[in-house]
Amino acid sequence: SQKIEQNSEALNIQEGKTATLTCNYTNYSPAYLQWYRQDPGRGPVFLLLIRENEKEKRKERLKVTFDTTLKQSLFHITASQPADSATYLCALDIPQSNTGKLIFGQGTTLQVKP
Amino acid sequence: NAGVTQTPKFRVLKTGQSMTLLCAQDMNHEYMYWYRQDPGMGLRLIHYSVGEGTTAKGEVPDGYNVSRLKKQNFLLGLESAAPSQTSVYFCASSWGGTGNGELFFGEGSRLTVL
Repeated sequence: SQKIEQNSEALNIQEGKTATLTCNYTNYSPAYLQWYRQDPGRGPVFLLLIRENEKEKRKERLKVTFDTTLKQSLFHITASQPADSATYLCALDIPQSNTGKLIFGQGTTLQVKP
Repeated sequence: NAGVTQTPKFRVLKTGQSMTLLCAQDMNHEYMYWYRQDPGMGLRLIHYSVGEGTTAKGEVPDGYNVSRLKKQNFLLGLESAAPSQTSVYFCASSWGGTGNGELFFGEGSRLTVL
């Protein structure tokens, strides 16, 4: 079965730096990969989706890359701010299932210090 | 638009008791999902539905039942609660079933089984 690993449970960086979060997967390559943000006590909120034929996707200070050879996605937050502190989840689809089911990683908690 | 609404938000049960979690969405989404989230485990899919009147098992369905009698509602039932079902439960919905549609999550229902 598909396995997803996100780098270290916690990541601490200084305000203004670029945060880089990693999502590695095994077995099959998904057609889509999504990133979500989750604040304490809240439900996950969708951030970005990248397709297997896309190398990179950007949205404001966020950038996602997708390397199907390495079976890895990188999630970057540039010019990070304390308000970016949250847990970030990557999620993969199940190809050809047509059910919209996603498999989630365990998440990386980002702490941005002022 | 309220989005995805879960009730109740908190509940404490004794072992063996039963209860139902209600999820309601006002976005006219076809697909709905129930996930549970436990520390270090990430989100795991319990059951899902691809349309009114349909349900299917996810990754961890044992001990749970679901019903989708109306398109906007997805109910998760625990017939005989066990301490292992202590968790945070999230309902989600989406418009598409191919994995390229974002999931909209509720705020979660925190269940403790004593």
